[in-house]
Formats: sequence, C-alpha cells, structure tokens
Amino acid sequence: DQQVKQNSPSLSVQEGRISILNCDYTNSMFDYFLWYKKYPAEGPTFLISISSIKDKNEDGRFTVFLNKSAKHLSLHIVPSQPGDSAVYFCAARGNQAGTALIFGKGTTLSVSS
Amino acid sequence: GAVVSQHPSWVICKSGTSVKIECRSLDFQATTMFWYRQFPKQSLMLMATSNEGSKATYEQGVEKDKFLINHASLTLSTLTVTSAHPEDSSFYICSAIQWGTEAFFGQGTRLTVV
Repeated sequence: DQQVKQNSPSLSVQEGRISILNCDYTNSMFDYFLWYKKYPAEGPTFLISISSIKDKNEDGRFTVFLNKSAKHLSLHIVPSQPGDSAVYFCAARGNQAGTALIFGKGTTLSVSS
Repeated sequence: GAVVSQHPSWVICKSGTSVKIECRSLDFQATTMFWYRQFPKQSLMLMATSNEGSKATYEQGVEKDKFLINHASLTLSTLTVTSAHPEDSSFYICSAIQWGTEAFFGQGTRLTVV
C-alpha cells in the first residue's frame, strides 16, 4: 500500500511558465513533507520542506503548499527553467525523530526552452 | 547543506560474491542512517533503518541476512550485499539525518551483478 502517491509520472512545461507537481498521502501520522530533485544515477537533492503546522513555504522560485484536510501537497516552480528538468520526489515522515522518509514514485519534469 | 558521501559510486561483481557499500556523513554526526534501493523508473524503496551502535531495522520483505548493515559510528554505515545475484542489481542510496532535520543523501551506488 503506497502511503505517498505521485499520480503524474511526467509533466512537460515551457520555460518561463509555472510547473505544478502534485503529491497525495494516506498516512495521517505524517507531519513533515519534503520535495527532492533527482538526476539519473545520483542521490536526491533536498529542495524544500514543510511542516504540518504550516500551509505554505516559499524559497525563491519554489513554493510548497500543504492541504492537510485533503492530505495533498504541491510544489510550484515559477518561472520554470530548462535546468529544472529532473525527477521530483515527494517524501513524508512521521513526527518521531529518526523516522525514515517515505517516497512517492516521482514525477519527471521536462522544461523546454 | 550537509554532505553525505557514498562509496563506491559504481560496482560490477560476479554472481555469488559480496559487495560492501559505505555511507559517510562528512560534516555532521548522523543519529540515524537509512538505506534505500531504486529500480529503474521506480521510487526509492526503504530497505532498513540504522542507528549507531544497534541492530538495523529492516523493512518487510528485505532479507537481513542478505543485506548486512553495520553502523559502527555516528559517521559511518555500511551495507554489504552478500552472495549477490543478478536480481540484486539496482541503485542503492543511503541517507543520514541529524536529530530533527531533513535527510541528506549520498550520491548512490550502481550495483551490477553479472
């Protein structure tokens, strides 16, 4: 049973436009959510996170929105750049220190110039 | 951000041999390290959770006798794939966390068993 779901395996966006990547989760015990960017044959790179006590966190071009009632979060990238093309993973963990991240299957973002 | 170094980045081994992968936190002490595996076009699947000085906790379906994890210090965890078979070929990634922070990942190890 997948606890973190990214239902869109891919997304194509033009340079300069907004990219919106979606993520749903089922475990109500999750209280910390993260987005990672990953290139092939490399480890994931942390992008941005959000705690369950917030509904929005912004860092430069990246904004994460959290809707706890819907168990849904999204990553907005604006403006999108060709260098943003990668696989984006949504991850979540519970509130106990030392718990592992549970990942979604990832969404491949392609930004065309 | 914090740096996690994983070594080797790529290894090819013969079926039946064992391979050791190292994961080091270079500039922080990691209270917990995790080992993940990723098959092509799949998500990162958690294999085990490793706390310094104690036995690793394995996820359901992961053979602890096949995937030996040692976490001898706060900066080093190792994963040994014993008696490797072609189906063990995968991309293995470690991550490390300090208390209450986000996880930092190593660069991953591509294991090919021939």
